[in-house]
Amino acid sequence: KAGVTQTPRYLIKTRGQQVTLSCSPISGHRSVSWYQQTPGQGLQFLFEYFSETQRNKGNFPGRFSGRQFSNSRSEMNVSTLELGDSALYLCASSLYRQGSTDTQYFGPGTRLTVL
Amino acid sequence: GENVEQHPSTLSVQEGDSAVIKCTYSDSASNYFPWYKQELGKGPQLIIDIRSNVGEKKDQRIAVTLNKTAKHFSLHITETQPEDSAVYFCAASRGSSASKIIFGSGTRLSIRP
Repeated sequence: KAGVTQTPRYLIKTRGQQVTLSCSPISGHRSVSWYQQTPGQGLQFLFEYFSETQRNKGNFPGRFSGRQFSNSRSEMNVSTLELGDSALYLCASSLYRQGSTDTQYFGPGTRLTVL
Repeated sequence: GENVEQHPSTLSVQEGDSAVIKCTYSDSASNYFPWYKQELGKGPQLIIDIRSNVGEKKDQRIAVTLNKTAKHFSLHITETQPEDSAVYFCAASRGSSASKIIFGSGTRLSIRP
């Protein structure tokens, strides 16, 4: 079974621009979550989607948004990029079974550099 | 808020020796504890996990122990090899939502030849 895939793998943008990152979950997984990883802050939860609905959102400004499509694929968007948005953005998928704690499987990430 | 403390932040061991990484969690409702390995340029990969109804789990050279009373869990790697060099993250989770997963800050493990 193919793992979580993310595109693109690398991005270089300038301040003020916007960016869209894409994630395809493991086949059969219905939940997709996004994380920001930086050396200083570690892994920080951005948001979680299930059945095309955002279930939870982390403590990030409204410039960070996302969506999930009917095939469970997800995108996240960052508008008005700032230098501090430079990070590795990780997508993870899970089965999502009500009442169960499911394993998160991570993709390879998208390395975003903001100049 | 809830947190997971992970120690040490860096660890260097001789090839063939054992490595131990320890985590402490604060949320007593946590019931699932995965460990991830992240190699350079890659995303975190699950290497082993344990649920709160089990005290120990082993998979070849890797084992995890859980002490629910003390809210401690540890990763043990025996007979370390160069390919074990990576950053390891512990996590504690409760419920079905990813927002309920708390990650440790990571341990950079280096294996000396």
